[in-house]
Amino acid sequence: ELKVEQNPLFLSMQEGKNYTIYCNYSTTSDRLYWYRQDPGKSLESLFVLLSNGAVKQEGRLMASLDTKARLSTLHITAAVHDLSATYFCAGASGSARQLTFGSGTQLTVLP
Amino acid sequence: NAGVTQTPKFQVLKTGQSMTLQCAQDMNHEYMSWYRQDPGMGLRLIHYSVGAGITDQGEVPNGYNVSRSTTEDFPLRLLSAAPSQTSVYFCATRGEVVSGNYEQYFGPGTRLTVT
Repeated sequence: ELKVEQNPLFLSMQEGKNYTIYCNYSTTSDRLYWYRQDPGKSLESLFVLLSNGAVKQEGRLMASLDTKARLSTLHITAAVHDLSATYFCAGASGSARQLTFGSGTQLTVLP
Repeated sequence: NAGVTQTPKFQVLKTGQSMTLQCAQDMNHEYMSWYRQDPGMGLRLIHYSVGAGITDQGEVPNGYNVSRSTTEDFPLRLLSAAPSQTSVYFCATRGEVVSGNYEQYFGPGTRLTVT
């Protein structure tokens, strides 16, 4: 059974600073998803990582995948207030590649 | 192209009542799923379907039924609502067989309160 752990669960950071969110998963997952969720809203897809060493970047967010370490990271560069949200990672397992989500990282970017 | 739609947006039920949450997609995706999200937690899979006529249980299926008679629709039925089913429910679709795209798209959610 796939388990997904994110840390930290809560993150306050100042504008302009860099930080990394970590996503560890317990068994083989052939893909790793990152989502963003604003309060009261649905999930917005950020990245889908499909192979070992995959790196994707969009604006101030960069995600990477290390399948040997069973670790994905979401790196935030020079944070701005608009990045305040909850970020989820999810791995895929089973014949239908059902997603298992981490508990989420609530990010607050302070001025 | 509406993507993934869910109705209703909000619902209040009394304990013991039954209801159906609707989910529809217009992307011809083969995979559809239902999740619930409770405060401070990630999403937990309730049921999923890999195509019309095929459904299976996820992590938390008790108290819920699904069926998939068409590619487009995947309703979630609460048989006898309980306060523990108070949650936000999200439907999601994925169409990698059809499109080669591994993205999983989420509907806007249904906020359900059981009193």
